[in-house]
Amino acid sequence: KNEVEQSPQNLTAQEGEFITINCSYSVGISALHWLQQHPGGGIVSLFMLSSGKKKHGRLIATINIQEKHSSLHITASHPRDSAVYICAVYRHISGNMLTFGGGTRLMVKP
Amino acid sequence: SQTIHQWPATLVQPVGSPLSLECTVEGTSNPNLYWYRQAAGRGLQLLFYSVGIGQISSEVPQNLSASRPQDRQFILSSKKLLLSDSGFYLCAWWGPSNYEQYFGPGTRLTVT
Repeated sequence: KNEVEQSPQNLTAQEGEFITINCSYSVGISALHWLQQHPGGGIVSLFMLSSGKKKHGRLIATINIQEKHSSLHITASHPRDSAVYICAVYRHISGNMLTFGGGTRLMVKP
Repeated sequence: SQTIHQWPATLVQPVGSPLSLECTVEGTSNPNLYWYRQAAGRGLQLLFYSVGIGQISSEVPQNLSASRPQDRQFILSSKKLLLSDSGFYLCAWWGPSNYEQYFGPGTRLTVT
């Protein structure tokens, strides 16, 4: 079993839909990253979370440390949101190294 | 502001040929640097990380090596490429003030 699991692996939505991507982890962590990888391969950091909730534009990320679970929500989805979304954690024992989930491939259709 | 460069952007190399990918960081000093690989259809895998000049740690035994000859330069190398070395290679640095990792644009390597 992977230490960081994401669901779903693939997601297709219609423009305007509310989207949720889930991340569960089985190890102790210091913080959790949500990353976005565009079709060309480039990766950008969306959020870094250690507790609670963060919001940036139409994106919202939450984390529940006790349940070892995080969610990434996209409100009013748009075709330009189509990308792979990756959850990654900083493990307590690994210091500043990330352990990655397998990614969620999102396609938003107009 | 900090910037991370990688080159080349794409590379096609025959099996058995050598490899050298370069990563440089601007706007910071003594960064922690990382090399990741993403094979086709798979997730990111940490290959090497470095906390300083000449200090390299390897996460996965493989056909690759890394070097850090200067504070803001990180090089990924191979003496003889294998088909399985094909993939998307990403360099990243860690911002200790905010726990975030910043990724370079990546190099897409195809071994033929």
